[in-house]
Amino acid sequence: KAGVTQTPRYLIKTRGQQVTLSCSPISGHRSVSWYQQTPGQGLQFLFEYFSETQRNKGNFPGRFSGRQFSNSRSEMNVSTLELGDSALYLCASSPGRESDIQYFGAGTRLSVL
Amino acid sequence: LAKTTQPISMDSYEGQEVNITCSHNNIATNDYITWYQQFPSQGPRFIIQGYKTKVTNEVASLFIPADRKSSTLSLPRVSLSDTAVYYCLVGAQGGKLIFGQGTELSVKP
Repeated sequence: KAGVTQTPRYLIKTRGQQVTLSCSPISGHRSVSWYQQTPGQGLQFLFEYFSETQRNKGNFPGRFSGRQFSNSRSEMNVSTLELGDSALYLCASSPGRESDIQYFGAGTRLSVL
Repeated sequence: LAKTTQPISMDSYEGQEVNITCSHNNIATNDYITWYQQFPSQGPRFIIQGYKTKVTNEVASLFIPADRKSSTLSLPRVSLSDTAVYYCLVGAQGGKLIFGQGTELSVKP
């Protein structure tokens, strides 16, 4: 089976712009979760989508949003980018049950200038 | 979701066995214990998961005492390529994982 695919791998944006990141989960997985990783804050949970519905949400401002399509592919959007949004954005997929292992993609490295 | 505490860093030499202990005093009855490994600029990778006693796979062993308030990840005969950050996670709320600071393992020749 193919793993979790994230595109693009690298992105450079300027303050005030918006960005959309994409995640294709492992075939058959219905849950997609998004995380932000920075040197200062570590790995932080953004949100999770399961069967096209947001099931869990972390403590991030409304500028961070996401969605999931019927084929389980997911996108996250960040509007009005700030310098502090520079981070590695990771998505993970799983079948969707609580004890399920999550499989992570390689991430998208976003740099905001 | 239970809070976890693990050492910030550990050093080892190639060929040695490495044991990383994680404390999780508030583990709930239904919680599983899961360990992930992460290399720089890559996503975390699943290593092992357990509920009680001992679990072993081709890369690691996980020891869980009867009270389940701690767990120990054991890596046999580490190599330079095992240098990474190791995260202990307890429980999950659907697809929501709470990562702590992890343990940065440095393996030296």
